[in-house]
Amino acid sequence: AQSVTQPDIHITVSEGASLELRCNYSYGATPYLFWYVQSPGQGLQLLLKYFSGDTLVQGIKGFEAEFKRSQSSFNLRKPSVHWSDAAEYFCAVGATSGTYKYIFGTGTRLKVLA
Amino acid sequence: DSGVTQTPKHLITATGQRVTLRCSPRSGDLSVYWYQQSLDQGLQFLIHYYNGEERAKGNILERFSAQQFPDLHSELNLSSLELGDSALYFCASSVDSGYYGYTFGSGTRLTVV
Repeated sequence: AQSVTQPDIHITVSEGASLELRCNYSYGATPYLFWYVQSPGQGLQLLLKYFSGDTLVQGIKGFEAEFKRSQSSFNLRKPSVHWSDAAEYFCAVGATSGTYKYIFGTGTRLKVLA
Repeated sequence: DSGVTQTPKHLITATGQRVTLRCSPRSGDLSVYWYQQSLDQGLQFLIHYYNGEERAKGNILERFSAQQFPDLHSELNLSSLELGDSALYFCASSVDSGYYGYTFGSGTRLTVV
């Protein structure tokens, strides 16, 4: 069965520091992978997505993610965090076999210290 | 503004009652998805409609139902409400089957008292 694991429930970083949020997935075929961000009181916004090709994908707001098939991971990174990045981040996997839904991880809440 | 409109933003109702949540998809999007976000269950897929037809069901209770109308807006009906139904309900839309990502609305926060 498809599943997504985000092992870190909370992460705290200082403003200007680098960030890496972990995501591991379980899926038999080639996954479609996504990262979404949810600010307080807001809906989810798509940060970036991976379908195939280059395993390093660039997204909005300076985020990037790297797909590693051997590790079943799709970690999100940002070289320098801004206070406005404080939010909850969700990793999701979608099927390629005709299923029209995504499996979301439980989310990682990011706190940024000034 | 994502372009996906959900109303109402907040809803407080009593157990046993019935409510309707409304979603207007982004202009041009044919697919509408409903998700429930709760503290204990996280984000759970409920149902997907494409151009008026149901395409996929997830963990949707029998007390819940949805439909998509000819103008592509969608409604999620929740009946015989229980305290455990309190959650944030999101609607999302996409042009096609959603393989390339969704656009989410800002959600309806339902509180059952």
